[in-house]
Amino acid sequence: HSVLTQPPSLSGAPGQRVTISCTGSSSNIGAGWGVHWYQQFPGTAPKLLIYDNNNRPSGAPDRFSGSKSGTSASLAITGLQAEDEADYYCQSYDNSLSAWVFGGGTTVTVL
Amino acid sequence: EVQLLESGGGLVQPGESLRLSCAASGFTFSPSEMNWVRQGLGKGLEWISFISPGANTVYYADSVRGRFTISRDDAKNSVYLQMNSLRAEDTAIYYCARKIVGTTHFDYWGQGILVTVSS
Repeated sequence: HSVLTQPPSLSGAPGQRVTISCTGSSSNIGAGWGVHWYQQFPGTAPKLLIYDNNNRPSGAPDRFSGSKSGTSASLAITGLQAEDEADYYCQSYDNSLSAWVFGGGTTVTVL
Repeated sequence: EVQLLESGGGLVQPGESLRLSCAASGFTFSPSEMNWVRQGLGKGLEWISFISPGANTVYYADSVRGRFTISRDDAKNSVYLQMNSLRAEDTAIYYCARKIVGTTHFDYWGQGILVTVSS
């Protein structure tokens, strides 16, 4: 099982706001390490979407935003679009494991 | 444009070895921290190895420690993953990914290469 916990799937209608949770522990998110989010379309490599909790790299749409509180983090998609249908992974660093860790991924479906 | 291009994947039998390569271009390679991340078919992402600039520091996930070895050749702008004693559970798409010193995220990824371990 993954060190960071995400819901396996969620869905929303176009234009809706959806939020993906990422729950960790005191040895990773709760230890102050940044949370990062990646977007992956079928058959392609993951792409950085949000870094250091709430920063978007150049080119990432501003309808994506991130937040972090305590041992959890969230990725929000405001104004869901058909092209947002993809898998989303959270990632952080874990002190106890001395490893970079990922969530199990969340598949977002646009209804 | 940053590019990472993996090669060397394929089908091997359990217990055999394979060496993956990742050729980098479009950025200054030598100061970059490089990683390997894998993804089982239909599964999530798993970080497996890290190498620092100058190869002074390497890290491995427990699942591959003692079997896999990461290395780099800055003259060739390349990072490698020597995989020995391969198991069926090592079957995955392997990605190389760049990480900037002082950060904890992977900002660029290769397209991935498939490794299949099966008899």
